[in-house]
Amino acid sequence: QQPVQSPQAVILREGEDAVINCSSSKALYSVHWYRQKHGEAPVFLMILLKGGEQKGHEKISASFNEKKQQSSLYLTASQLSYSGTYFCGTGGHGGTYNQGGKLIFGQGTELSVKP
Amino acid sequence: KAGVTQTPRYLIKTRGQQVTLSCSPISGHRSVSWYQQTPGQGLQFLFEYFSETQRNKGNFPGRFSGRQFSNSRSEMNVSTLELGDSALYLCASSLGTGSGETQYFGPGTRLLVL
Repeated sequence: QQPVQSPQAVILREGEDAVINCSSSKALYSVHWYRQKHGEAPVFLMILLKGGEQKGHEKISASFNEKKQQSSLYLTASQLSYSGTYFCGTGGHGGTYNQGGKLIFGQGTELSVKP
Repeated sequence: KAGVTQTPRYLIKTRGQQVTLSCSPISGHRSVSWYQQTPGQGLQFLFEYFSETQRNKGNFPGRFSGRQFSNSRSEMNVSTLELGDSALYLCASSLGTGSGETQYFGPGTRLLVL
């Protein structure tokens, strides 16, 4: 039931782009993306909802393919501050809103941006 | 607006003891979820509380329990601590309890069981 993230790790140079994927075996209502730096709490980046609604940041975008239960996070023109571990959390397993706030997280993707 | 706060931030206990962790959600948020984070198992859902009622529960033994107060503050308790309970315990708050609600995490309580 845990979503699978790929790649597990990626190293970038400043200014390069990256894509992180999240795949679930269950129908979903929502996909939540977070970034966590070492020793800190996860920070909210983006939420994608069934039906296509998307909320998030300017320089970070994401897509959600409901039929395939897959989401991708796009980081463009990466900056040093983008370094950290990215987690996707899936919610509403079964595809409905009324499943409460339980999120199941992937194993994380470690992203390192070098100067 | 203040973020999610958790106390204490660090805790050292010995096996067999019990521990209580506290979480204060963002003002106006009524849902609090708890997660355990370890290097081996990653981020795992413990339980969610909304309007003082447990809404969801993860696959953890009964030693893990929680509650929520009328002001939405939440506590979780772990009884008879085991070495494997050493982890970062995170709480997250959201406005409501639907699957499309954004959850905001607190800084966490790092528990070490010796």
